[in-house]
Amino acid sequence: QKEVEQNSGPLSVPEGAIASLNCTYSDRGSQSFFWYRQYSGKSPELIMFIYSNGDKEDGRFTAQLNKASQYVSLLIRDSQPSDSATYLCAARALSGGYNKLIFGAGTRLAVHP
Amino acid sequence: GAGVSQTPSNKVTEKGKYVELRCDPISGHTALYWYRQSLGQGPEFLIYFQGTGAADDSGLPNDRFFAVRPEGSVSTLKIQRTERGDSAVYLCASSLAPDQPQHFGDGTRLSIL
Repeated sequence: QKEVEQNSGPLSVPEGAIASLNCTYSDRGSQSFFWYRQYSGKSPELIMFIYSNGDKEDGRFTAQLNKASQYVSLLIRDSQPSDSATYLCAARALSGGYNKLIFGAGTRLAVHP
Repeated sequence: GAGVSQTPSNKVTEKGKYVELRCDPISGHTALYWYRQSLGQGPEFLIYFQGTGAADDSGLPNDRFFAVRPEGSVSTLKIQRTERGDSAVYLCASSLAPDQPQHFGDGTRLSIL
């Protein structure tokens, strides 16, 4: 069973702090990784994707990937109350027509003023 | 609208009825995906279309579920003889190509009474 694991949280951080969200995956065939933000009652919104080992930065967000450890993380700098949401980690393997995202259950982030 | 469009946004029906859920992908996106999300869980893959054909339907739970995409654009997810366990949010996503990130619609909240 291919799995993506996340701590359900809630992760509570003060406004202005760095929020660190973590994810592990079991399928070594996974090639690309995605972070989606989901507000309550809304659909997932893509915020970052990463394909290669190392760090990828986009504004206040940094995604980190370590394929040897099967570990993905998302850092949110200068956290704002508007960042409060559930963050979904997803892994994708592409081979022979196989193309689907395997999602974790999500980590709920609460940024308090 | 530029995003993935799903209709209806809410559907309430009785056990045993037939339902159709519609997805209109982002213009020009060749790949289309259906997922199902239950409360407190990440989206769960159902089926993936590349063009008109279902490239991977391994996530469909049983033969009551069927999806089509006859012209390679709009897709319809069809559920026969609905059961209470089918209640969930059904999400559609599309991507420009199979190896590109997936973008989600707002979903259809299906409630089976």
